[in-house]
Parts: sequence; C-alpha cells; structure tokens
Amino acid sequence: EDQVTQSPEALRLQEGESSSLNCSYTVSGLRGLFWYRQDPGKGPEFLFTLYSAGEEKEKERLKATLTKKESFLHITAPKPEDSATYLCAVRFLGGQNFVFGPGTRLSVLP
Amino acid sequence: NAGVTQTPKFQVLKTGQSMTLQCAQDMNHNSMYWYRQDPGMGLRLIYYSASEGTTDKGEVPNGYNVSRLNKREFSLRLESAAPSQTSVYFCASRGDGNQPQHFGDGTRLSIL
Repeated sequence: EDQVTQSPEALRLQEGESSSLNCSYTVSGLRGLFWYRQDPGKGPEFLFTLYSAGEEKEKERLKATLTKKESFLHITAPKPEDSATYLCAVRFLGGQNFVFGPGTRLSVLP
Repeated sequence: NAGVTQTPKFQVLKTGQSMTLQCAQDMNHNSMYWYRQDPGMGLRLIYYSASEGTTDKGEVPNGYNVSRLNKREFSLRLESAAPSQTSVYFCASRGDGNQPQHFGDGTRLSIL
C-alpha cells in the first residue's frame, strides 16, 4: 500500500533557528512529490514539485530536496510568518491521484 | 484571480439532512477533486473527475455523491448526513500532465 508519512508532527523553532521537515513515502514508483503550505482556515498553497532523486528547489527561506524514499523541506533562518502546517503529497506512477501525508505543524516564535 | 471557489464556507446540519457543496474553478483545468481533512489524518480523497463527464471514487466515497456539471463546476452531495461526516471539505483542480493541485479555502461542515 502506498503510504506517505511526515515527521515531526509538530515543531517549535525560535526565529532564526534553522531546521528540516521530513516526508517519507513507500510508493513503488514516483511520478512527483509536492510540498504545500497550509495556513489556519485556508486551503493548501502549492510550494514545490520534485520529480527525481537529487533534485532541489528553493523559494526564499525554503529549500526542498528529494532522495529515493524521502524528501526534506529545509527552513533557513525562519521568521514568524513561516508558521503554518506543511503538507507533502506523492503522485505515483500509473496513478491519477495524490497521497497526502498528515502534515507537520510549524511554529516560529519571535 | 479567483482560482478555486467553494461555497458555503461554513454549514451546520442535523443528522439525516442533505446538502450540496459547490466548487468552481476558473483556470480551465480538466481534473477536479474533493477531499476531506480531519485532524491527524491528512487529506483523504472522496471523489475525483479527470475530465468533464467523468467521475471516479477515491479512498472514502461512502455517503457521498458528485456531479461534474461542466468543466468549471464539481459539486459534492451528502444525501443523508451523519456525524462521522463532520469535517473540513476541500475542492481542488489541476491542469494536465504532472501539474500540482490548486485548492479552495474549504467548507467547514458540522453534523449534529
């Protein structure tokens, strides 16, 4: 069964304290891995797509990387406005749909 | 730049009542999706539509029906609401190929 897990479940950082979020998957063949940000009371907002192992994408303080079985979302010198829930989703080969992880709830304290 | 629009934003129903959740997108996307989001469980697919005129079941379709009214609109119907259907419902649309999904801001539904 295709599964996507995320760790940690929740993370509290001080402003400026860099860290990483993890997304692990067990799909048999990867068509794409997607990172989203979700603010309270809002729908998920697309951040990145990664397609193959070794690929990296960057946007402001965020950098996403991909290996064969996991992806990391690195947050460098975070600010309070980076506080949100970060979701990853995997689309597998031969599939129409996306499997979502449960998310990591990030809080950045000033 | 409306993107994906969902109505209503909030709704409270009694057990056994019926309701239709509306979703419309203005990005000319072929694929549309309905998810539910519950604490600690992530987004779970209820139904999806790969193109106008087609619909397919997702992971948790029981108790729901959908209609792909046209390319823009995809509605979700609860025929006889149950407390287990209390959740936040998200609609999404997606372009062709390996494009990401774009989400609406959700409908918060409570079944008493």
